[in-house]
Amino acid sequence: GAGVSQSPSNKVTEKGKDVELRCDPISGHTALYWYRQRLGQGLEFLIYFQGNSAPDKSGLPSDRFSAERTGESVSTLTIQRTQQEDSAVYLCASSLNPNGGYGYTFGSGTRLTVV
Amino acid sequence: QKEVEQNSGPLSVPEGAIASLNCTYSDRGSQSFFWYRQYSGKSPELIMFIYSNGDKEDGRFTAQLNKASQYVSLLIRDSQPSDSATYLCAVMWGGSYIPTFGRGTSLIVHP
Repeated sequence: GAGVSQSPSNKVTEKGKDVELRCDPISGHTALYWYRQRLGQGLEFLIYFQGNSAPDKSGLPSDRFSAERTGESVSTLTIQRTQQEDSAVYLCASSLNPNGGYGYTFGSGTRLTVV
Repeated sequence: QKEVEQNSGPLSVPEGAIASLNCTYSDRGSQSFFWYRQYSGKSPELIMFIYSNGDKEDGRFTAQLNKASQYVSLLIRDSQPSDSATYLCAVMWGGSYIPTFGRGTSLIVHP
């Protein structure tokens, strides 16, 4: 596609429910990243994919968070048993350069609200 | 601990002036440097990247890198109200595929 596509754009969920966030990167971009941005805060790295493998998942805050990528394309970030502190904008980015050395293209994000 | 520091601002400049945004980082092993712009409620978009010491110009934007002093700057010439946004600095260290982002500087360009 022309850009990085994320869905849904907004998600309101009840505390304790599971949510799944989707990212469709730019076609041909092998590197894919997930970040979290809480209101008024900076970008918090979550996980990095190179192809279908995740060489760096050091930013996942707890075992309630998981992510996968299939077909070197779409990625899903799953949050189980959501908590109020999970409320944030979840941003996906992709890069043509395998090590992100020329910068990222970000999607428009998924705004997650846990009530 | 690799850190990237930015003054949160807001930096307020009049329309037509030069806006100067600064970023310092903690470790000399840095390799790549990026500036992103983030409008309120939107996602970051890449403005420029720079690898080598010196200046890199792209239109009204100039990135300046000084590795010895461990800072990178972004100059915006002829600032416009549409430049009002938060500017994020990101630094990538050698051997890492994950840049560290600063918290961003809020820029306000007033007519």
